[in-house]
Amino acid sequence: EADIYQTPRYLVIGTGKKITLECSQTMGHDKMYWYQQDPGMELHLIHYSYGVNSTEKGDLSSESTVSRIRTEHFPLTLESARPSHTSQYLCASGGKDTQYFGPGTRLTVL
Amino acid sequence: SQQGEEDPQALSIQEGENATMNCSYKTSINNLQWYRQNSGRGLVHLILIRSNEREKHSGRLRVTLDTSKKSSSLLITASRAADTASYFCATDDGGGADGLTFGKGTHLIIQP
Repeated sequence: EADIYQTPRYLVIGTGKKITLECSQTMGHDKMYWYQQDPGMELHLIHYSYGVNSTEKGDLSSESTVSRIRTEHFPLTLESARPSHTSQYLCASGGKDTQYFGPGTRLTVL
Repeated sequence: SQQGEEDPQALSIQEGENATMNCSYKTSINNLQWYRQNSGRGLVHLILIRSNEREKHSGRLRVTLDTSKKSSSLLITASRAADTASYFCATDDGGGADGLTFGKGTHLIIQP
């Protein structure tokens, strides 16, 4: 098991709420990533970070934002959740040779 | 845009049989990786093959890469019930965004 954690595992909320998905890793990796995955579909990169104070947008446009104040912590925030944000969000760390994934947060917006 | 595409989308075999999954991609790559995802969980890295390699082994896994056809295959020998999962290929195309590009995956079911 990789030392990368995500909370919550499941979240059901109403439209318009602000949410933050937490991701932390204890492997000391500089690079961290957020992917979005719909059921039975491929993963899409939405955000990544090279290290502290570095954040970049990925291939898939997302209304979410991220921050990287500490090496081990890479939270994702949605200011106003909508039903279209319903998906699974996977956090990863590592590099292009190997990425270590957290268990994911399954988000449902009603 | 989607880079890797796995084939078949789903595969069901008996325990003990071999399972083969294929992946095709569109652009040139630095490496290709295979990941396993158990239901409701994150992905686990299985094996990486670099663009200058043609075949690689790891335990019961065998991966081949044909850069001229832009395709890869993953063979799992002597399958076990615990191998039931979705398998994704992922490519590093050396592009600007520093993540991997994943295919849609093959859902493998091993029947006891």
